[in-house]
Amino acid sequence: QKEVEQNSGPLSVPEGAIASLNCTYSDRGSQSFFWYRQYSGKSPELIMFIYSNGDKEDGRFTAQLNKASQYVSLLIRDSQPSDSATYLCAVNDYGGSQGNLIFGKGTKLSVKP
Amino acid sequence: ETGVTQSPTHLIKTRGQQVTLRCSSQSGHNTVSWYQQALGQGPQFIFQYYREEENGRGNFPPRFSGLQFPNYSSELNVNALELDDSALYLCASSGTEGSGNTIYFGEGSWLTVV
Repeated sequence: QKEVEQNSGPLSVPEGAIASLNCTYSDRGSQSFFWYRQYSGKSPELIMFIYSNGDKEDGRFTAQLNKASQYVSLLIRDSQPSDSATYLCAVNDYGGSQGNLIFGKGTKLSVKP
Repeated sequence: ETGVTQSPTHLIKTRGQQVTLRCSSQSGHNTVSWYQQALGQGPQFIFQYYREEENGRGNFPPRFSGLQFPNYSSELNVNALELDDSALYLCASSGTEGSGNTIYFGEGSWLTVV
């Protein structure tokens, strides 16, 4: 059973702080890793994807991938109240079809003003 | 805006009925996937269509079926609805950006089965 594990939270951080979201995955063959943000009542919105070990930065967001440890994380710098949402980690199903992602249950982030 | 559009946005059906959900993929994307997201859960892969053929299926019964049309739009059909089918149904289209594939979701269709 291929799994993606996330701490469900809620993770509460003050405005301006760094929020750190973590995810582990069981399928060692996974090659593509995604972070989605989902506001309550809305669909998931792609915010980052990463394929190579190391860090990838996009604005206030940094994705970090460690394939040896089967671990991927998302850092949000200068957190804003508008970042309050559920963050979903997803990995591709190696051996499955292109659009087959395995999702974690998500981590709920709350940024307090 | 992802360019992936779904309809209807909300609907209520009675147990035992059938439902059809529709999706138009992002321009240039020829692969469409469908996901089911129950409350408090991450999305679960139902199936994927590529060039009008089913190209991968998750752990869903045969009463979940689909179609893809020559313009890459897609339908999800669910027969004999059950109460547990109540969920957000997400359509995703796949494209290639940089060195890999990216997957964008539409706004979803909220299905309530009563």
